[in-house]
Formats: sequence, C-alpha cells, structure tokens
Amino acid sequence: EAEVAQSPRYKITEKSQAVAFWCDPISGHATLYWYRQILGQGPELLVQFQDESVVDDSQLPKDRFSAERLKGVDSTLKIQPAELGDSAMYLCASSLGRAGPSYNEQFFGPGTRLTVL
Amino acid sequence: DAKTTQPNSMESNEEEPVHLPCNHSTISGTDYIHWYRQLPSQGPEYVIHGLTSNVNNRMASLAIAEDRKSSTLILHRATLRDAAVYYCILRVGNRDDKIIFGKGTRLHILP
Repeated sequence: EAEVAQSPRYKITEKSQAVAFWCDPISGHATLYWYRQILGQGPELLVQFQDESVVDDSQLPKDRFSAERLKGVDSTLKIQPAELGDSAMYLCASSLGRAGPSYNEQFFGPGTRLTVL
Repeated sequence: DAKTTQPNSMESNEEEPVHLPCNHSTISGTDYIHWYRQLPSQGPEYVIHGLTSNVNNRMASLAIAEDRKSSTLILHRATLRDAAVYYCILRVGNRDDKIIFGKGTRLHILP
C-alpha cells in the first residue's frame, strides 16, 4: 500500500540552528500539506501546496519557516533559526486533489518529532 | 468553520462496542462529517465519513442524527489496537483544503 514518507523521524537540535524536514507524498497526489502538532493538541496546518504552488500559508511563521515543492512532487520544510517553542511533531499529508473524490481523504506520514534544546 | 465538541477521553473494555459521540450543532448543509484517528506515535488516519445517511466500512460505522447536529462513531468490537485519539471533523464537500482538528477524544481500551 502506498504511503507518505517523511525523514528524519526524529531530530534534536539546539536553538538558533537550522533544521529541515523532507516529505515524499503518495505518487500522483497533487495536494501536499505540512501540519504541526504540539503535544496534547490536534495538528494545525502550516502550509498547503497544489502541485508546486502554495495555496495556503497563512499560519506559516514566515520569518523563520520556509517550504518548497519545486517539481510538484516531494517537499522540504525548513526552520531557521529554530526556537524552543518549535518543539513539536511535524506531519506531512497528501491527497489526490483536483482529480480526487469529493471527500478528498488525506493520507498522513509518520511525522518528524523535533526537539529544540 | 463549524465546530465540533467531543469528550476529552473515554474508556471501554476490550471486545466490547464503543460509541464515540460528537456534537456539531452549527453544521451547514454542505458539511460532511469525517472521523480520523491517531494511533500513538503515528500520523492521523482516515476512518469514515458521511453526509446524511448512516455509513459502514471495515473499520467502523457512523450514525448521523436526523437533524445532523450530532453523530456517533461506532467501533463494533474494540481491540487494544483501537486505543487512539479520535477526531470528529466537519469538511465542506468537493473542497480540497486543510483539516481543522480539535483535541479529539482519547480512547482507552481496558484488557
């Protein structure tokens, strides 16, 4: 069964350092999402891509976070510099998008757990 | 966006049915009711969705009230592997946009 891949699974860094997370969505999925999940809460969207274009980055802290999906396939989320409050699980999800069924099920990867010291 | 209300946590015995409630009194006519669950140390996964009629799939059943202001996710025979956080979510049909998660219900299964 096709899955969303993420790496690394765990990342420990010191504040002010740069970190990057990678996501490979299910093949053929046009829409890609990055969510952040703080312990004890539900995931919250950071950025949504349709192919290579950003369609929603209203909750992305743009002074330190950046995201790209250059060829409309895999994606990278970067934080520079990392702050203590960035410690969280970073989840990537994908969906078929424009050609998909009406309910547009999202498929989530296993996440990257970031700890900032 | 219309909001949902779920209990913070529930307990159930293994091999017994579990009924997880969700209130969504401000639901609109275009909102589908979705359920996702998140197993420990994993990303969320889709469980089931419906609009007006009750729905069944291999994982669960979804019972929707006639006025659509509430719904219940039914796990017919809970196992230890069903211990997870269950999210009840409203999504507008035919739109490919973000999922707005609440805090969900943490389901504990007792052996």
